[in-house]
Amino acid sequence: QKEVEQNSGPLSVPEGAIASLNCTYSDRGSQSFFWYRQYSGKSPELIMFIYSNGDKEDGRFTAQLNKASQYVSLLIRDSQPSDSATYLCAVTGSQGNLIFGKGTKLSVKP
Amino acid sequence: NAGVTQTPKFQVLKTGQSMTLQCAQDMNHNSMYWYRQDPGMGLRLIYYSASEGTTDKGEVPNGYNVSRLNKREFSLRLESAAPSQTSVYFCASNAGSVNTEAFFGQGTRLTVV
Repeated sequence: QKEVEQNSGPLSVPEGAIASLNCTYSDRGSQSFFWYRQYSGKSPELIMFIYSNGDKEDGRFTAQLNKASQYVSLLIRDSQPSDSATYLCAVTGSQGNLIFGKGTKLSVKP
Repeated sequence: NAGVTQTPKFQVLKTGQSMTLQCAQDMNHNSMYWYRQDPGMGLRLIYYSASEGTTDKGEVPNGYNVSRLNKREFSLRLESAAPSQTSVYFCASNAGSVNTEAFFGQGTRLTVV
Protein backbone atom coordinates (compact mmCIF):
# COMPACT_ATOMS: atom_id res chain seq x y z
CA GLN A 1 0.00 0.00 0.00
CA LYS A 2 1.50 3.29 -1.08
CA GLU A 3 1.68 5.90 1.63
CA VAL A 4 2.03 9.65 1.63
CA GLU A 5 3.02 11.35 4.86
CA GLN A 6 2.58 14.98 5.83
CA ASN A 7 2.80 16.87 9.10
CA SER A 8 -0.75 17.74 10.07
CA GLY A 9 0.23 21.11 11.51
CA PRO A 10 -1.07 23.59 12.07
CA LEU A 11 1.77 25.52 10.55
CA SER A 12 1.58 29.17 11.45
CA VAL A 13 3.59 31.83 9.62
CA PRO A 14 3.39 35.63 9.63
CA GLU A 15 2.18 37.47 6.57
CA GLY A 16 5.01 37.98 4.08
CA ALA A 17 7.06 35.03 5.31
CA ILE A 18 7.92 31.82 3.46
CA ALA A 19 5.77 28.81 4.28
CA SER A 20 7.42 25.43 3.79
CA LEU A 21 5.26 22.35 3.48
CA ASN A 22 6.78 18.89 3.35
CA CYS A 23 5.71 15.46 2.17
CA THR A 24 7.33 12.02 1.98
CA TYR A 25 6.11 9.03 0.01
CA SER A 26 6.77 5.33 0.31
CA ASP A 27 6.72 4.06 -3.29
CA ARG A 28 10.07 4.68 -4.95
CA GLY A 29 8.41 4.06 -8.32
CA SER A 30 6.04 7.03 -7.98
CA GLN A 31 6.28 9.33 -10.98
CA SER A 32 3.88 12.22 -10.49
CA PHE A 33 3.43 14.52 -7.54
CA PHE A 34 0.73 17.06 -6.90
CA TRP A 35 -0.02 19.77 -4.39
CA TYR A 36 -3.66 20.63 -3.81
CA ARG A 37 -5.07 23.42 -1.69
CA GLN A 38 -8.34 22.93 0.15
CA TYR A 39 -10.22 25.72 1.86
CA SER A 40 -12.55 24.74 4.70
CA GLY A 41 -15.77 23.29 3.32
CA LYS A 42 -14.52 23.35 -0.26
CA SER A 43 -13.12 20.81 -2.67
CA PRO A 44 -9.38 20.39 -3.37
CA GLU A 45 -7.92 22.50 -6.16
CA LEU A 46 -4.59 21.96 -7.87
CA ILE A 47 -1.73 24.30 -6.97
CA MET A 48 1.17 22.61 -8.71
CA PHE A 49 2.43 19.34 -10.11
CA ILE A 50 5.99 18.14 -10.55
CA TYR A 51 7.43 15.11 -12.30
CA SER A 52 11.18 15.68 -12.41
CA ASN A 53 13.82 16.10 -9.73
CA GLY A 54 14.56 19.68 -8.85
CA ASP A 55 12.51 22.82 -8.49
CA LYS A 56 9.47 24.07 -10.35
CA GLU A 57 8.30 27.63 -9.84
CA ASP A 58 4.89 29.17 -10.53
CA GLY A 59 4.43 32.66 -9.21
CA ARG A 60 4.78 32.60 -5.42
CA PHE A 61 4.79 28.81 -5.33
CA THR A 62 7.80 26.51 -5.75
CA ALA A 63 7.57 22.74 -5.72
CA GLN A 64 10.71 20.75 -4.98
CA LEU A 65 11.18 17.06 -5.70
CA ASN A 66 13.94 14.74 -4.53
CA LYS A 67 13.21 11.23 -5.73
CA ALA A 68 16.31 9.76 -4.07
CA SER A 69 15.02 10.91 -0.69
CA GLN A 70 11.36 10.31 -1.66
CA TYR A 71 10.57 13.84 -0.61
CA VAL A 72 8.50 16.59 -2.14
CA SER A 73 7.92 20.05 -0.76
CA LEU A 74 5.96 23.20 -1.48
CA LEU A 75 7.30 26.66 -0.70
CA ILE A 76 4.95 29.63 -0.60
CA ARG A 77 6.78 32.96 -0.74
CA ASP A 78 5.28 36.22 0.53
CA SER A 79 2.55 34.29 2.31
CA GLN A 80 -0.84 35.98 2.44
CA PRO A 81 -3.80 35.43 4.79
CA SER A 82 -5.67 34.11 1.74
CA ASP A 83 -3.15 31.24 1.61
CA SER A 84 -4.56 29.92 4.89
CA ALA A 85 -5.90 26.50 3.98
CA THR A 86 -5.08 22.82 4.16
CA TYR A 87 -2.45 21.69 1.66
CA LEU A 88 -2.68 18.15 0.37
CA CYS A 89 0.23 16.27 -1.13
CA ALA A 90 -0.67 13.52 -3.59
CA VAL A 91 1.12 10.93 -5.69
CA THR A 92 -0.29 9.00 -8.61
CA GLY A 93 -1.24 5.39 -8.05
CA SER A 94 -0.91 2.61 -10.59
CA GLN A 95 -4.40 3.28 -12.05
CA GLY A 96 -4.04 7.02 -12.33
CA ASN A 97 -5.82 7.64 -9.06
CA LEU A 98 -4.30 10.06 -6.58
CA ILE A 99 -3.08 8.85 -3.19
CA PHE A 100 -3.30 11.68 -0.70
CA GLY A 101 -1.52 12.58 2.47
CA LYS A 102 -3.66 13.74 5.36
CA GLY A 103 -2.84 17.36 4.68
CA THR A 104 -1.05 20.19 6.46
CA LYS A 105 -3.13 23.06 7.79
CA LEU A 106 -1.47 26.41 7.12
CA SER A 107 -2.39 29.58 8.96
CA VAL A 108 -0.97 32.92 7.78
CA LYS A 109 -1.28 35.59 10.44
CA PRO A 110 -1.72 39.25 9.37
CA ASN B 1 -17.67 24.82 -18.30
CA ALA B 2 -19.11 22.88 -15.35
CA GLY B 3 -16.19 20.44 -14.85
CA VAL B 4 -17.27 17.82 -12.28
CA THR B 5 -20.77 18.10 -10.87
CA GLN B 6 -21.99 16.19 -7.84
CA THR B 7 -25.47 15.91 -6.41
CA PRO B 8 -26.72 16.33 -3.77
CA LYS B 9 -24.54 18.75 -1.79
CA PHE B 10 -26.00 17.76 1.56
CA GLN B 11 -27.92 14.70 2.73
CA VAL B 12 -29.12 13.29 6.03
CA LEU B 13 -30.00 9.61 6.14
CA LYS B 14 -31.30 7.31 8.81
CA THR B 15 -29.38 4.15 9.53
CA GLY B 16 -30.39 1.46 7.05
CA GLN B 17 -31.63 3.83 4.36
CA SER B 18 -30.16 3.74 0.89
CA MET B 19 -29.14 6.50 -1.47
CA THR B 20 -27.16 7.19 -4.61
CA LEU B 21 -24.67 9.99 -5.05
CA GLN B 22 -24.49 11.23 -8.61
CA CYS B 23 -21.41 12.53 -10.42
CA ALA B 24 -21.00 13.80 -13.95
CA GLN B 25 -18.03 15.32 -15.78
CA ASP B 26 -17.96 17.20 -19.06
CA MET B 27 -14.21 17.08 -19.73
CA ASN B 28 -14.25 13.82 -21.73
CA HIS B 29 -12.11 12.18 -19.04
CA ASN B 30 -11.57 8.44 -19.11
CA SER B 31 -11.16 7.92 -15.37
CA MET B 32 -13.44 8.77 -12.50
CA TYR B 33 -13.05 8.32 -8.75
CA TRP B 34 -14.97 8.43 -5.51
CA TYR B 35 -13.17 9.55 -2.36
CA ARG B 36 -14.35 10.10 1.18
CA GLN B 37 -12.80 12.64 3.49
CA ASP B 38 -12.94 12.32 7.25
CA PRO B 39 -11.30 14.56 9.86
CA GLY B 40 -7.71 13.50 10.42
CA MET B 41 -7.91 10.79 7.74
CA GLY B 42 -7.34 12.70 4.54
CA LEU B 43 -8.93 11.65 1.26
CA ARG B 44 -9.39 7.91 0.88
CA LEU B 45 -10.30 6.18 -2.36
CA ILE B 46 -13.55 4.19 -2.29
CA TYR B 47 -13.90 3.04 -5.91
CA TYR B 48 -12.58 4.10 -9.25
CA SER B 49 -13.34 3.56 -12.90
CA ALA B 50 -10.36 3.62 -15.23
CA SER B 51 -12.57 3.65 -18.29
CA GLU B 52 -16.19 3.29 -19.32
CA GLY B 53 -17.42 -0.17 -18.40
CA THR B 54 -14.81 -0.90 -15.73
CA THR B 55 -14.82 -0.35 -11.97
CA ASP B 56 -12.38 -1.37 -9.26
CA LYS B 57 -12.19 -1.21 -5.49
CA GLY B 58 -10.08 1.35 -3.76
CA GLU B 59 -8.87 1.53 -0.19
CA VAL B 60 -12.26 1.61 1.59
CA PRO B 61 -14.95 -0.06 -0.61
CA ASN B 62 -17.00 -1.89 2.04
CA GLY B 63 -20.61 -0.74 2.18
CA TYR B 64 -20.54 0.91 -1.23
CA ASN B 65 -21.32 0.05 -4.82
CA VAL B 66 -20.64 2.02 -7.98
CA SER B 67 -21.89 2.23 -11.53
CA ARG B 68 -20.11 3.78 -14.48
CA LEU B 69 -23.23 4.59 -16.43
CA ASN B 70 -21.39 6.05 -19.42
CA LYS B 71 -18.23 8.03 -19.99
CA ARG B 72 -19.68 11.11 -18.26
CA GLU B 73 -21.37 9.60 -15.21
CA PHE B 74 -20.16 7.63 -12.20
CA SER B 75 -22.54 7.01 -9.31
CA LEU B 76 -21.92 5.81 -5.76
CA ARG B 77 -24.58 3.85 -3.92
CA LEU B 78 -24.99 3.19 -0.22
CA GLU B 79 -27.32 0.21 0.08
CA SER B 80 -27.79 0.33 3.86
CA ALA B 81 -26.30 3.44 5.37
CA ALA B 82 -24.39 3.24 8.65
CA PRO B 83 -23.22 6.04 10.96
CA SER B 84 -19.62 5.13 10.02
CA GLN B 85 -20.43 6.37 6.51
CA THR B 86 -20.94 9.91 7.76
CA SER B 87 -18.37 11.79 5.74
CA VAL B 88 -17.76 14.23 2.93
CA TYR B 89 -17.73 12.48 -0.44
CA PHE B 90 -15.83 13.79 -3.44
CA CYS B 91 -16.05 12.67 -7.01
CA ALA B 92 -13.04 13.33 -9.21
CA SER B 93 -11.98 12.71 -12.78
CA ASN B 94 -8.85 12.80 -14.88
CA ALA B 95 -7.67 11.80 -18.31
CA GLY B 96 -6.41 8.55 -16.87
CA SER B 97 -2.73 8.68 -17.68
CA VAL B 98 -0.19 8.79 -14.88
CA ASN B 99 0.78 12.43 -15.22
CA THR B 100 -2.59 14.13 -15.28
CA GLU B 101 -4.20 16.10 -12.51
CA ALA B 102 -7.56 15.17 -11.06
CA PHE B 103 -10.46 17.61 -10.97
CA PHE B 104 -12.88 17.45 -8.09
CA GLY B 105 -16.58 18.01 -7.68
CA GLN B 106 -17.88 20.28 -4.95
CA GLY B 107 -18.49 17.43 -2.52
CA THR B 108 -21.47 15.84 -0.78
CA ARG B 109 -21.75 16.18 2.97
CA LEU B 110 -23.54 13.05 4.20
CA THR B 111 -24.75 12.50 7.74
CA VAL B 112 -26.13 9.15 8.83
CA VAL B 113 -28.08 9.23 12.08
